[in-house]
Amino acid sequence: GNSVTQMEGPVTLSEEAFLTINCTYTATGYPSLFWYVQYPGEGLQLLLKATKADDKGSNKGFEATYRKETTSFHLEKGSVQVSDSAVYFCALAHNAGGTSYGKLTFGQGTILTVHP
Amino acid sequence: NAGVTQTPKFRILKIGQSMTLQCTQDMNHNYMYWYRQDPGMGLKLIYYSVGAGITDKGEVPNGYNVSRSTTEDFPLRLELAAPSQTSVYFCASRHRGLETQYFGPGTRLLVL
Repeated sequence: GNSVTQMEGPVTLSEEAFLTINCTYTATGYPSLFWYVQYPGEGLQLLLKATKADDKGSNKGFEATYRKETTSFHLEKGSVQVSDSAVYFCALAHNAGGTSYGKLTFGQGTILTVHP
Repeated sequence: NAGVTQTPKFRILKIGQSMTLQCTQDMNHNYMYWYRQDPGMGLKLIYYSVGAGITDKGEVPNGYNVSRSTTEDFPLRLELAAPSQTSVYFCASRHRGLETQYFGPGTRLLVL
């Protein structure tokens, strides 16, 4: 079945450091890939997405590229801020001939803490 | 425009009690979902609905029931609470033609 694996966390960085959170997936067909972010005390919100191979999603300085050859969708940011402290989830949407109804499979989440 | 709202925010139940977690969205979305989030784990799909009157099981439906009588509301029912149902529950919705799901703030449930 479909699955998503994220790098073990938590991740602790100093402000302005470079961030990478690894995400790999297993899926049949051609899933869409997402990064969701959960700030303390809030629900998840979409950070970025990519719907086909080699697409790059980007938002708020974060980027991720859909790599079908390595089945990966790693999240990167060149210079993190304290306000980026949150939990980050990688997810895929099943695409199964139009009957998947957008159900998401999530990775386990990575806690990011950024210190001043 | 409130988006997706969930009530209550936090609840403590005793084993065997029942309760309903409420979820409402005001975006006229066709699809709605219930997920649970256990510590250190990703979200797992409990039930979903593609429209009023239509629901289906997700990955972990045992111990839960849902109904969808209106487009806006998608309540989740726990009939006989068990400690294994201690979790954070998230409701989400999306428009049929778009992929982005919008999440509520979650309900934290503790079963003792």
